[in-house]
Amino acid sequence: QMQLVQSGPEVKKPGTSVKVSCKASGFTFTSSAVQWVRQARGQRLEWIGWIVVGSGNTNYAQKFQERVTITRDMSTSTAYMELSSLRSEDTAVYYCAAARVAVKWAFDIWGQGTMVTVSS
Amino acid sequence: SYELTQPPSVSVSPGQTARITCSGDALPKQYAYWYQQKPGQAPVLVIYKDSERPSGIPERFSGSSSGTTVTLTISGVQAEDEADYYCQSADSSGTTWVFGGGTKLTVL
Repeated sequence: QMQLVQSGPEVKKPGTSVKVSCKASGFTFTSSAVQWVRQARGQRLEWIGWIVVGSGNTNYAQKFQERVTITRDMSTSTAYMELSSLRSEDTAVYYCAAARVAVKWAFDIWGQGTMVTVSS
Repeated sequence: SYELTQPPSVSVSPGQTARITCSGDALPKQYAYWYQQKPGQAPVLVIYKDSERPSGIPERFSGSSSGTTVTLTISGVQAEDEADYYCQSADSSGTTWVFGGGTKLTVL
């Protein structure tokens, strides 16, 4: 079945970086786009950015522009989101989601989420 | 920065119709997408491109658009529909995407 499987929970110190992975299976990864979204406890969903897998083109929310890098490895059907200069406010669940041509580029496949905790 | 505005909460009795709105200046130009999120779970796409329903989503979920407002309608609400609902869309340039603040649907 179509799915995205994310890497496990992370605990990081302030000022360091985290890299979360998102492995796709069951659909054509190279014909998709992947967005990253985060959600702090009890808060709204927050869009971080996305990558068009085939071209590698990216778009980031202005808030994260200086600190985030989204990449992909087509050989392993995996997308990555790296966030640097971590602070306590970055503590959240991070989700990846894939958009496919079959549903007109809607993000219909979601990963299970990765908890990132930033604490000294 | 661009914002989408949703009511914080909507309450309906089982069998009634729930309507959740999402307002934004760029909505006449950009499609909206709706997600359902239950506690501790990842979001689920329930409506895309304003009014299309993914396979596997019950027919009681529908979407519509009028000017700067899009609406998610749930007809014949069931207890299992109790969840948070988020709209997502892009700004007028299409490069920056945002989510609405979310609406908590309570089934009385």
